[in-house]
Amino acid sequence: KAGVTQTPRYLIKTRGQQVTLSCSPISGHRSVSWYQQTPGQGLQFLFEYFSETQRNKGNFPGRFSGRQFSNSRSEMNVSTLELGDSALYLCASRTGPANTGELFFGEGSRLTVL
Amino acid sequence: AQTVTQSQPEMSVQEAETVTLSCTYDTSESNYYLFWYKQPPSRQMILVIRQEAYKQQNATENRFSVNFQKAAKSFSLKISDSQLGDTAMYFCAFMSSNFGNEKLTFGTGTRLTIIP
Repeated sequence: KAGVTQTPRYLIKTRGQQVTLSCSPISGHRSVSWYQQTPGQGLQFLFEYFSETQRNKGNFPGRFSGRQFSNSRSEMNVSTLELGDSALYLCASRTGPANTGELFFGEGSRLTVL
Repeated sequence: AQTVTQSQPEMSVQEAETVTLSCTYDTSESNYYLFWYKQPPSRQMILVIRQEAYKQQNATENRFSVNFQKAAKSFSLKISDSQLGDTAMYFCAFMSSNFGNEKLTFGTGTRLTIIP
């Protein structure tokens, strides 16, 4: 069974640009969460989607947005990039909100903002 | 809001020895989940062990076990017979069981190095 797949693995952008990251969950998983990992702030929750609906959101500005498609794949978008957005963005999937408590993570997308 | 504290930024231990990583948390909830995740240099976060707060019995997964003290809000991870492949960042994490709030709150991590 394929794991959580994130693309691209690495990308470099400049300030003011926007970026879109993609996440394909494990087959059969309908919930996708996104986390930002930085040396300064650690791991922080961005948002969670289930059945194409956002069901939880962390404390990030509106520049951070996401969506989920009918096949459960998810994308997150960051607009008007700032230097501080440089981070590893991790996607995690689980079967659904039944809350087995087990999330499976992808390898992340490393974003560098210059 | 929940908080998770890992007070040991770095630890090192000889191969085959036992090591214990500390974690404390703060919450007003009575039912929740606690986790230990491992993040090797490859970056992928891997679940090591999970504990459900309503279960008094400590979770065990092969060489990994936890000491869960609910009243003290403590959740330490013990790695027995440590192996070189255990070298990684270890994160303690909390998840509420409240519907709609099942996000992970992570500690700052402990960098564990297993010395050959």
